[in-house]
Amino acid sequence: DAGVTQSPTHLIKTRGQQVTLRCSPKSGHDTVSWYQQALGQGPQFIFQYYEEEERQRGNFPDRFSGHQYPNYSSELNVNALLLGDSALYLCASSLVGLTQYFGPGTRLTVL
Amino acid sequence: SQELEQSPQSLIVQEGKNLTINCTSSKTLYGLYWYKQKYGEGLIFLMMLQKGGEEKSHEKITAKLDEKKQQSSLHITASQPSHAGIYLCGAAMNRDDKIIFGKGTRLHILP
Repeated sequence: DAGVTQSPTHLIKTRGQQVTLRCSPKSGHDTVSWYQQALGQGPQFIFQYYEEEERQRGNFPDRFSGHQYPNYSSELNVNALLLGDSALYLCASSLVGLTQYFGPGTRLTVL
Repeated sequence: SQELEQSPQSLIVQEGKNLTINCTSSKTLYGLYWYKQKYGEGLIFLMMLQKGGEEKSHEKITAKLDEKKQQSSLHITASQPSHAGIYLCGAAMNRDDKIIFGKGTRLHILP
């Protein structure tokens, strides 16, 4: 049984560009949450998707958007990249109301 | 707003020694999670505590939640090099809620 998978593993972009990160949830899970983890910090909640709708959102600007597909996979899009967007982006999946399981993350570097 | 304090920030212990990591919330929790993270990688789920006074164990790791559901401790017995990494506590205030994380405790094990 595959766990949560994320792609790509690493990504380098320049300021102003746009990026799309992808996440495939653990089999049987219907909820996907995205987190941003800056160096030396704990993960910060970006948003959560359930039934293809954004159900909760953390304190992130509108430059951060997402999508969930009918097969429960999800994308995180970030527009107009800033240097401060450099971080490890983590996807977590869960069956609604239960424990969140995390993927390996995507390391985004903005130059 | 909800805050989660972890202590200590960093811990260096001799292999074979016991250690404890603490996590304190400013508010009563719905659930308290413990995750482990290898540097730059995804989070590995360890345990979730929900009931006041609850205690769970997995191999040599034991986690407890106090009666008021505002404090938790993670205890490792007879530490091994494989225990090294970052330990993160996370809190959910409601069912289906986002997880708010502490900044983590960096554990180093000396051979």
